[in-house]
Amino acid sequence: AAGVIQSPRHLIKEKRETATLKCYPIPRHDTVYWYQQGPGQDPQFLISFYEKMQSDKGSIPDRFSAQQFSDYHSELNMSSLELGDSALYFCASSYLTHIQGWDTEAFFGQGTRLTVV
Amino acid sequence: AQTVTQSQPEMSVQEAETVTLSCTYDTSESDYYLFWYKQPPSRQMILVIRQEAYKQQNATENRFSVNFQKAAKSFSLKISDSQLGDAAMYFCAYRRGGATNKLIFGTGTLLAVQP
Repeated sequence: AAGVIQSPRHLIKEKRETATLKCYPIPRHDTVYWYQQGPGQDPQFLISFYEKMQSDKGSIPDRFSAQQFSDYHSELNMSSLELGDSALYFCASSYLTHIQGWDTEAFFGQGTRLTVV
Repeated sequence: AQTVTQSQPEMSVQEAETVTLSCTYDTSESDYYLFWYKQPPSRQMILVIRQEAYKQQNATENRFSVNFQKAAKSFSLKISDSQLGDAAMYFCAYRRGGATNKLIFGTGTLLAVQP
């Protein structure tokens, strides 16, 4: 079965550089979530999109921006990178069933490991 | 705000034995879902089991089962017949009802399985 695809898997950037992370959700999934997991930490929600519109926003720095495109893939843009941005970035996807009482779970990609040096 | 608490940073179990991981949560919502995710050394997030709050019956998936105590806001995971491959970080997670809502994770429990 198709899964959530994230690219790249690993990324090394220098301080103050820019990085773009990409996420391709499972086919027919209309919702994408981004999470950041620092070393030894639990995943923290950054932002989500439903049908190409931002649906929720968490602890995402102003230096970061994201969007969901017409083909439902999403990109997380990170500028002025700091050492503290080094983390594993997960993308997850789900779909809204519109069936009351039946929610689907989110499926996670394998993550992009960002190292800022 | 909703919170998820895992009070056991680390646990250890002998192979073939049973272990229970604890999780408590706080919410004022009535419609919500609870999950256990497994994160092995590969760092992949793998869904182990889910529980709908409106269901009284505890969820079961093969060797994994939960003890969902809604009034106490407790959601523990029991792993039976533990296997070496069960060694991983386990995260308890909460999501408010509505499929587009975000997951809120606990701090995780690192499970070691001794041969």
